[in-house]
Amino acid sequence: KQEVTQIPAALSVPEGENLVLNCSFTDSAIYNLQWFRQDPGKGLTSLLLIQSSQREQTSGRLNASLDKSSGRSTLYIAASQPGDSATYLCAVKPRDDKIIFGKGTRLHILP
Amino acid sequence: SAVISQKPSRDICQRGTSLTIQCQVDSQVTMMFWYRQQPGQSLTLIATANQGSEATYESGFVIDKFPISRPNLTFSTLTVSNMSPEDSSIYLCSVEGGNHINEQFFGPGTRLTVL
Repeated sequence: KQEVTQIPAALSVPEGENLVLNCSFTDSAIYNLQWFRQDPGKGLTSLLLIQSSQREQTSGRLNASLDKSSGRSTLYIAASQPGDSATYLCAVKPRDDKIIFGKGTRLHILP
Repeated sequence: SAVISQKPSRDICQRGTSLTIQCQVDSQVTMMFWYRQQPGQSLTLIATANQGSEATYESGFVIDKFPISRPNLTFSTLTVSNMSPEDSSIYLCSVEGGNHINEQFFGPGTRLTVL
């Protein structure tokens, strides 16, 4: 059964630093992987989607990588800002099954 | 990307009552889902809302407690019935769509507090 793990559960970094959030999954037979952002009490915003055939995707200061064979993805945030403070969720879509979420990383950017 | 709206955005309800949450999408979508997020937890899938047929419920969720309607390809409702404080959660509507097949989008959520 597919399991998705995100480490660390929480992270605080000073403003301006670059940072990496990690996501691992147990079954490499995935269709795609998505990174989401969730602000407290709100819905999820899709940040990046990586298809299983892709290695990375970039959007502005965000870069997500995918290593399917090792079951790992990273979300890189460059030049962090206080507005980046949120919970970041990783989710994998297995083939022929529904999306599975990790528990998220709570990120706090210190001004 | 699909734009999703939910009503109400939040509500405070009394134990034993029911609340119906509406989800509206700005384009026709095949796959529509309802999730629950309990305080401090990740998302749990309640059911897949099927257009023209009964919803498909995940283990631990039943139709009597969470009846779902899906009258067309842009709209769905989730009712939380006979509520208890344990039902206090954020309820999220989600669809698959957009430029990428199987990319998933979420509504803004409905924050429910049951007293």
